Amino acid sequence: GAVVSQHPSWVICKSGTSVKIECRSLDFQATTMFWYRQFPKQSLMLMATSNEGSKATYEQGVEKDKFLINHASLTLSTLTVTSAHPEDSSFYICSASLVTGSGTDTQYFGPGTRLTVL
Amino acid sequence: GDSVTQMEGPVTLSEEACLTINCTYTATGYPSLFWYVQYPGEGLQLLLKATKADDKGSNKGFEATYRKETTSFHLEKGSVQVSDSAVYFCALSPPTEDFNKFYFGSGTKLNVKP
Repeated sequence: GAVVSQHPSWVICKSGTSVKIECRSLDFQATTMFWYRQFPKQSLMLMATSNEGSKATYEQGVEKDKFLINHASLTLSTLTVTSAHPEDSSFYICSASLVTGSGTDTQYFGPGTRLTVL
Repeated sequence: GDSVTQMEGPVTLSEEACLTINCTYTATGYPSLFWYVQYPGEGLQLLLKATKADDKGSNKGFEATYRKETTSFHLEKGSVQVSDSAVYFCALSPPTEDFNKFYFGSGTKLNVKP
C-alpha cells in the first residue's frame, strides 16, 4: 500500500516552454502533498506544500509564478514549470502525506521526474 | 530551527561488513524520525521510522534507535550486501502543527563491493 506515482518519469523540453508533472496517490487519499527538488548529489529541497482545495504554500526563495501547483483532488497534485530554462533542469520529486490511525505521519514518495531543459 | 545532520559520504564497505551511518537532529520536543533509501534513478523509499524516544525502527536488517539524550538516530546493519548500495537520507517530522513538513539530511551514499 501507500504508492505514489509520477508522470512523466523523464521529460526534455525546449527553453521557454511549460512542462506539467503529475503526482498521484494510488491507494490512499492525501490531503497534503509536497514537491521537492533534488540537485545532483544533494539532498531534497522542499519547494512547496500542496493542500487539496487551497493554494499551495511555497518555501522561501521559490517563485510561485514559475512553479504553479494545483491540488485538484485528494489523489492528484500537479506541478507546472512555466517558461522553463536550463537552470530549471533537475529531478523533481513529490510526496504524499499519510496520517495513520495513531496520529503519526509518514510521507510516501513518488519515483521522481527528471526534467531537462535544452 | 529544526534540522538534521548526517555523516558525509561516500561510505565504501566490503560485503558482509558492518554499517553505521550517523544522524543527529535538532528539534523542539519529540519529533518523529525516519530513514529513507534512494536507489540509483529512483525516488525515496521509506526504510524505517521511530516516533518516540527509545523506539527502535527496523526493516530489511537495518535498525535505528531514537536516542533523545544524544538527539541521534544512527542507522546500523550487521552485514551489508551489494544490493544495499544506495543513498540513505535521515529525516525528521516536527512535533508541531507542521508535523508533515519533513526536514532531510544531506544524504550518505553507500557503496558495497563484492
